[in-house]
Amino acid sequence: GAVVSQHPSRVICKSGTSVKIECRSLDFQATTMFWYRQFPKQSLMLMATSNEGSKATYEQGVEKDKFLINHASLTLSTLTVTSAHPEDSSFYICSARQDYEQYFGPGTRLTVT
Amino acid sequence: GENVEQHPSTLSVQEGDSAVIKCTYSDSASNYFPWYKQELGKRPQLIIDIRSNVGEKKDQRIAVTLNKTAKHFSLHITETQPEDSAVYFCAAFYSGNTPLVFGKGTRLSVIA
Repeated sequence: GAVVSQHPSRVICKSGTSVKIECRSLDFQATTMFWYRQFPKQSLMLMATSNEGSKATYEQGVEKDKFLINHASLTLSTLTVTSAHPEDSSFYICSARQDYEQYFGPGTRLTVT
Repeated sequence: GENVEQHPSTLSVQEGDSAVIKCTYSDSASNYFPWYKQELGKRPQLIIDIRSNVGEKKDQRIAVTLNKTAKHFSLHITETQPEDSAVYFCAAFYSGNTPLVFGKGTRLSVIA
């Protein structure tokens, strides 16, 4: 299957700082990427749909000014968590679609202290 | 919008037995149904999928069945092994840039 990378895999930051997470499709071009958040023992919660060259579409309840998404190219999407707080600590996973199949990055575990 | 229900939430089976996980979906326009396996702290991995033009698909010990009329699909794992222990998610999707809609997951434990 297709390969999606994500960086960093783990990040610890102080409350009030911003964190950027990168998601790349390595061997295919993805016009659409998705960002999910996953809390322990829970399902994947879709945060936003990222479309190359246009604004992201955010799910209800997700603050677009707090979770900035940029999809600058067909292989790269970034999620920036601005002014992070402890409640933002979670496992963030990106995903890219190739035809019907959707492939996931390895995830980023964010801990805000 | 689409809604996917998944059952059971937890499932324990003896090694060698079969495991069945069931999902229902609400949007009759959905036409693609993947299953993902997620081990603790890792990414979901696509293990099998089915499109709406077929009723069953098999890959070694894993099979998926689809009943479009009833709007439900199931994952069947035969001859379970301890390494099958993980959380399994079903999902549904219909077209374009719409995202996959996931079920809440089933935690499968295979007891040796």
